[in-house]
Amino acid sequence: EVQLVESGGGLVQPGGSLRLSCAASGFSFSGYWMYWVRQPPGKGLVWVSNINNDGTDTTYADSVKGRFTISRDNAKNTLYLQMNSLRAEDTGLYYCTRGNLGFDPWGQGTLVTVSS
Amino acid sequence: DTQMTQSPSSLSASVGDRVTITCRASQGVGNDLSWYQQKPGKAPKRLIYAASSLQSGVPSRFSGSGSGTGFTLTISSLQAEDSATYYCLQHNSYPLTFGGGTKVEIK
Repeated sequence: EVQLVESGGGLVQPGGSLRLSCAASGFSFSGYWMYWVRQPPGKGLVWVSNINNDGTDTTYADSVKGRFTISRDNAKNTLYLQMNSLRAEDTGLYYCTRGNLGFDPWGQGTLVTVSS
Repeated sequence: DTQMTQSPSSLSASVGDRVTITCRASQGVGNDLSWYQQKPGKAPKRLIYAASSLQSGVPSRFSGSGSGTGFTLTISSLQAEDSATYYCLQHNSYPLTFGGGTKVEIK
């Protein structure tokens, strides 16, 4: 079964940092681009970042560029999102998802709350 | 940036009704368009990819059509379990953008 499991979310003060992880199983992780998508409370879906198969190419939404870093470890089948200089508007549920003509499947999400 | 305008933002329909949701792109996205269903407290689930291809395991009452700038998701006979919020996504150009969502309620 293809599965994505996020972890690492939590409560952090503005200006703080968090590192999200996404453990992949049931498929050849190194064969796929991977993505982070977030959902602010009660709102819609927003693409955050993606990374290519071997980690050599990354793209970011303007809202997180320079603050977030996406990476992957294909030996560990794990995707990461390092989030620095966090702001209140970064609050939300963060999903990792596999790219393939859109996004499928999705993990269950990990909640990030930025608040003092 | 390619803006995805989704309509309506919400609708209420009866079991058995035909339901249509539209997404309009501010510039052409070819057929790089997919549709997602999200139920409360759950992760999104892909229903349609490449504008009109049905995801494996998704009921055939769901269908997608369109290309370029206009796309449609149709539920041919609405069921109670279809109560959810639906989103379109364009992955043709960065930034990747979702529609604002359509909340479907059952009367």
